Amino acid sequence: GQNIDQPTEMTATEGAIVQINCTYQTSGFNGLFWYQQHAGEAPTFLSYNVLDGLEEKGRFSSFLSRSKGYSYLLLKELQMKDSASYLCAVRNSGAGSYQLTFGKGTKLSVIP
Amino acid sequence: DSGVTQTPKHLITATGQRVTLRCSPRSGDLSVYWYQQSLDQGLQFLIQYYNGEERAKGNILERFSAQQFPDLHSELNLSSLELGDSALYFCASSGRGQGAYNEQFFGPGTRLTVL
Repeated sequence: GQNIDQPTEMTATEGAIVQINCTYQTSGFNGLFWYQQHAGEAPTFLSYNVLDGLEEKGRFSSFLSRSKGYSYLLLKELQMKDSASYLCAVRNSGAGSYQLTFGKGTKLSVIP
Repeated sequence: DSGVTQTPKHLITATGQRVTLRCSPRSGDLSVYWYQQSLDQGLQFLIQYYNGEERAKGNILERFSAQQFPDLHSELNLSSLELGDSALYFCASSGRGQGAYNEQFFGPGTRLTVL
């Protein structure tokens, strides 16, 4: 089965840096995604990692260690609009499905 | 705008009733995924269709069913509704060549309230 853990809530200050961790246990690993979801809205794609290392994309970076079953999302220069839930999701390639298993999400509150 | 459309946006119904949720994927995407999101749970994968055929099944109840039509739109049917079925239902699509990582693009969701 799949198991994905991430903190339930985090608070950070505008302009600061925050790191959201995600640990997972899965089989047939075919990549890890981070999505952003504002309350009541659709999740939107942020980043993808399939090999170990850091992927940088503007203010957002994501890191993956497959051997440790660990990823983090790093948000720099936080803005108020970054207040949202951040969902870690693992893709499995069993039977050609490419389905995603999501963690419960980390609700980030950015305060002035 | 992800290019995935879902109707209706809101749905209010009574226990025991049946509803149908509709999803149109992004142009060219062959895969459609259905998810349920309730307040205390994350996004729960329900079912996936690829080019009209069921590809994978997740935590989908027997009271729920889905299908994908030749024009690739999909419908999720929920029957004998219970209070606990109240949730946001998302549809997502993906496909070869759509998105650099074959990532899933989510529709705006249908908020179902069962009274």
